[in-house]
Amino acid sequence: GGIITQTPKFLIGQEGQKLTLKCQQNFNHDTMYWYRQDSGKGLRLIYYSITENDLQKGDLSEGYDASREKKSSFSLTVTSAQKNEMAVFLCASTPGQGYEQYFGPGTRLTVL
Amino acid sequence: GDSVTQTEGLVTLTEGLPVMLNCTYQTIYSNPFLFWYVQHLNESPRLLLKSFTDNKRTEHQGFHATLHKSSSSFHLQKSSAQLSDSALYYCALSTSSGQKLVFGQGTILKVYL
Repeated sequence: GGIITQTPKFLIGQEGQKLTLKCQQNFNHDTMYWYRQDSGKGLRLIYYSITENDLQKGDLSEGYDASREKKSSFSLTVTSAQKNEMAVFLCASTPGQGYEQYFGPGTRLTVL
Repeated sequence: GDSVTQTEGLVTLTEGLPVMLNCTYQTIYSNPFLFWYVQHLNESPRLLLKSFTDNKRTEHQGFHATLHKSSSSFHLQKSSAQLSDSALYYCALSTSSGQKLVFGQGTILKVYL
């Protein structure tokens, strides 16, 4: 078994602030993902990474940066927080294509 | 590009009645993987069931779905709804082109007494 941890659980920032969300997994999975979940809008992919130091843009990458310096960790940076991006950010990982994705508990972002 | 359509945003029904949540998909790839994820309130999504075999029924925790490539569908069904089935359900598609999952918009299922 394994687990995905996300820190912080709650993140409060000011409009225009740069904010970083962290994700760690001990599954030894190759691929990791960042999703944004807005109420009523499903899951939208921000970035994903198929291996250490790899980054692939998703549909919602504008306004975000990501970093995969180690296989076990994947960070997401909100480059300039906006009030309209208050949402839950979910990290996920998978061993490969066709396998299920395992999700972390999420980080809830509030922008003041 | 690839897409998944869940036509119902909200399904409400009485406990004991059958459940059917619709999922159709579009892809040019002939061997897609289809998934159903369930997300209960204040929890993260978790896999409910998956399939890549045409016309084969897959079952888990009382739910079942059959991938029909002829109609590009993967509807989720259960014979008798329970209060604990109330949750958000996502249908998702993965293809051989990469490691992304394409999610539908999600269907909220609310089961009442």
